[in-house]
Amino acid sequence: NAGVTQTPKFRILKIGQSMTLQCTQDMNHNYMYWYRQDPGMGLKLIYYSVGAGITDKGEVPNGYNVSRSTTEDFPLRLELAAPSQTSVYFCASTLSTNTEAFFGQGTRLTVV
Amino acid sequence: GQQVMQIPQYQHVQEGEDFTTYCNSSTTLSNIQWYKQRPGGHPVFLIQLVKSGEVKKQKRLTFQFGEAKKNSSLHITATQTTDVGTYFCAGVGAQKLVFGQGTRLTINP
Repeated sequence: NAGVTQTPKFRILKIGQSMTLQCTQDMNHNYMYWYRQDPGMGLKLIYYSVGAGITDKGEVPNGYNVSRSTTEDFPLRLELAAPSQTSVYFCASTLSTNTEAFFGQGTRLTVV
Repeated sequence: GQQVMQIPQYQHVQEGEDFTTYCNSSTTLSNIQWYKQRPGGHPVFLIQLVKSGEVKKQKRLTFQFGEAKKNSSLHITATQTTDVGTYFCAGVGAQKLVFGQGTRLTINP
């Protein structure tokens, strides 16, 4: 079982560039989440989805966009990258709100 | 919106000492989950508490869920160097999983 797969693992972006962080899960989970973790800090919810075609904002959605066209995939789009978006991004999925969350390995993004 | 606060932010102990981290929510939770993140790794699920007043144990780890389902704690007895990492609580509310800030545990061998 691959679980939750995130790509890329590392990326350096220049200010103003855009990119998509990919996340895919093979567990047929309904719920998917994107978090960012700044150095030495906790996990802040960016966006989440309760199923294909449904997305909603979390605590820190500004500067990001998501889509959920399939159950498996939940890409996170950064438009006009800024240094404040330098962080480690984690994607997670759960079958329901009462089951454990599985995390991807993370994407370490640096904006210079 | 829902907020989950966790204290302390950092804890440094001597190996063999006990460790406790506390989690408080601004709203009543349907359940609370605990995760561990090793340095450089990703969060890994430890346990879920669902019932008011619930207590669960995993070897040296004891997890409690408050009677009002708004607070929780994780206690580690006789820490070992393998316990190093950041411990997060996560509360479920309004269909989203919200994490506390985490408690970073370091241990002097």
